[in-house]
Amino acid sequence: GNSVTQMEGPVTLSEEAFLTINCTYTATGYPSLFWYVQYPGEGLQLLLKATKADDKGSNKGFEATYRKETTSFHLEKGSVQVSDSAVYFCALNTGGFKTIFGAGTRLFVKA
Amino acid sequence: SQTIHQWPATLVQPVGSPLSLECTVEGTSNPNLYWYRQAAGRGLQLLFYSVGIGQISSEVPQNLSASRPQDRQFILSSKKLLLSDSGFYLCAWSVRLAGANTGELFFGEGSRLTVL
Repeated sequence: GNSVTQMEGPVTLSEEAFLTINCTYTATGYPSLFWYVQYPGEGLQLLLKATKADDKGSNKGFEATYRKETTSFHLEKGSVQVSDSAVYFCALNTGGFKTIFGAGTRLFVKA
Repeated sequence: SQTIHQWPATLVQPVGSPLSLECTVEGTSNPNLYWYRQAAGRGLQLLFYSVGIGQISSEVPQNLSASRPQDRQFILSSKKLLLSDSGFYLCAWSVRLAGANTGELFFGEGSRLTVL
C-alpha cells in the first residue's frame, strides 16, 4: 500500500542554519506530494506541493523537489528562523479521498 | 474566502460519556469533509470522509461515528468514550472535483480530547 516515511525528530537547529527534513514515499501510480506545517496548538496548513516528477514546490523560503527516481520529497530551507519551529508533515495523495501522512518531524529553532 | 471552524477546542470527558465534536465550513459549497485523529507523536489517521449530505465513509472501525446533516457541517460522535479515544481531532475540507481529488486539505484548528 501507499506510505510515507520521514525522518524522526526532533530536529534542533540554531537560527540561520540550513534545514533538511527527509521524506520518502511508496505509492502506486503517480501521487501528488505535499508538505504541511503544524504550529503549536493549531491545525495543519499546507506549506507546499508538487504534482508531478521534477516539480519544485516552494513557499516562505521552503522548497521541495519531487524526485521520482528516488521516491523522495525532501524539505529544505536555507536559513531557518525561530518562527519556523513547528511540526512538519510529508503527505501524498494518488487522487482518492485518502491522503497519507508521515509521522511528522518536530523542528526546534534556537535563537 | 473559505474558513473552517471546529469546536470545542478542548474537552475533558470521563470514560463512558458521549462525545460530539462539530465542524463547519464557510465560503465554499459541496466540499469533501474529513475527520482525522492525531495521536501524540504520531501522524494523522483518517477516520471518516464525506462527499455529500448523509454520505459517510469510515476508514477505521471503532466506537466513533460521523454525520453530515448539512452541506457544510460535519459532526463526530461517540455514545461511550474509551481511554484510547484521547487525541487531537482535526476536521478538514477539500474541493470536490468530478472523479478525482487534488489531495489538498484545509484544516480546522483542532479539538483536543482527553478521556479520563
